[in-house]
Amino acid sequence: QVQLQQSGPGLVKPSQTLSLTCAISGDSVSSNSAAWNWIRQSPSRGLEWLGRTYYRSKWYNDYALSVKSRITINPDTSKNQFSLQLNSVTPDDTAVYYCARNMGLFTFDIWGQGTMVTVSS
Amino acid sequence: EIVMTQSPATLSVSPGERATLSCRASQSVNTNLAWYQQKPGQAPRLLIYGASTRATGIPARFSGSGSGTEFTLTISSLQSEDFAVYYCQQYNNWPPAFGQGTKLEIK
Repeated sequence: QVQLQQSGPGLVKPSQTLSLTCAISGDSVSSNSAAWNWIRQSPSRGLEWLGRTYYRSKWYNDYALSVKSRITINPDTSKNQFSLQLNSVTPDDTAVYYCARNMGLFTFDIWGQGTMVTVSS
Repeated sequence: EIVMTQSPATLSVSPGERATLSCRASQSVNTNLAWYQQKPGQAPRLLIYGASTRATGIPARFSGSGSGTEFTLTISSLQSEDFAVYYCQQYNNWPPAFGQGTKLEIK
């Protein structure tokens, strides 16, 4: 079955870059029917969709307006994974970050295990 | 952006009883509405999409209804494993947006 395995540091200093990776098993990051998302969850913001990457003959990205100037989501076809980079973080970016798949509909049927990321000096 | 509002924030129900959770959208989302269940320390799990279609492997005691701006998730006979937080999510308009959740607790 499809599984997503997240990795990355749990502590990031203010103004630095948050970097997480989501490794895919049982599906392909280059699938023509799936998209690969990052979602975060915090007490103040609730569940917040951040963005996604997907392949439809070429690569596309969608980003939430709230983070559009700071976010990059990249696929890595050689390792069948995708990554999140969020620049210039502040304590407000402290959250549990999830990777997730959507197929066709913009609903999320497979999720990673979540990574608690704290932004603190 | 569409704002999703769930009520109540907390619902206390006894095992074996029926639970009814509500979700309201700030504008019509047609039937492009999903429900998720989240247990402590776990990722959300997709329960319902298209307002009323159960996702793969979801028991029949979970049902969804509604269209436009008003939606309901009903759990017909609560089992111990159903006590969790439930979220609705609209996907009719970009960006996808979640409600703030309803915590279903044991009475």
